Amino acid sequence: EPEVTQTPSHQVTQMGQEVILRCVPISNHLYFYWYRQILGQKVEFLVSFYNNEISEKSEIFDDQFSVERPDGSNFTLKIRSTKLEDSAMYFCASSGWGNTEAFFGQGTRLTVV
Amino acid sequence: KNQVEQSPQSLIILEGKNCTLQCNYTVSPFSNLRWYKQDTGRGPVSLTIMTFSENTKSNGRYTATLDADTKQSSLHITASQLSDSASYICVVSEGGYNKLIFGAGTRLAVHP
Repeated sequence: EPEVTQTPSHQVTQMGQEVILRCVPISNHLYFYWYRQILGQKVEFLVSFYNNEISEKSEIFDDQFSVERPDGSNFTLKIRSTKLEDSAMYFCASSGWGNTEAFFGQGTRLTVV
Repeated sequence: KNQVEQSPQSLIILEGKNCTLQCNYTVSPFSNLRWYKQDTGRGPVSLTIMTFSENTKSNGRYTATLDADTKQSSLHITASQLSDSASYICVVSEGGYNKLIFGAGTRLAVHP
């Protein structure tokens, strides 16, 4: 069964460093998303991406964040200068044409020290 | 502000028993409502998805209901199994781009 895959599963980084979280969405999907979940809290929307551009972003998604689809298969989230409060589980998701179900990856646990 | 509220926060039931989880939402514009199951440290997995015109939808032992007038939904689990132990999250899609508003979830523990 097709699935969304994320790498790495766990990333530890020092405050102020740049990190790139990687995702391979389901191959025929058109819409891509990043969500995050701080430990013990709700999952929060970060950004949606369609047709090679951001379609919507939340207040959390400030200038420190960027997304990119560098080739036909990968979808990345970059945090330029990480802060302690960026520590969270980051989920990538993708969905097909129309308002269809979003499939989530297993997440990358980011720990900023 | 768009919000999704769930109750109870946590629930313990015995294996084989049924249970019902509740969800209230204030999300506009409303696109659809979903129930997800999330195991600890894992990504959410979709159980059901319902649009405005659907009142009920089943997926095996899971049955979701939606009352779009009162903005309420429920998830009923029948004949619970130990593997049902997880967080069950009510999620409402805002608008047309899968911008999902998540509830805090109900943590269900099924005991033998």
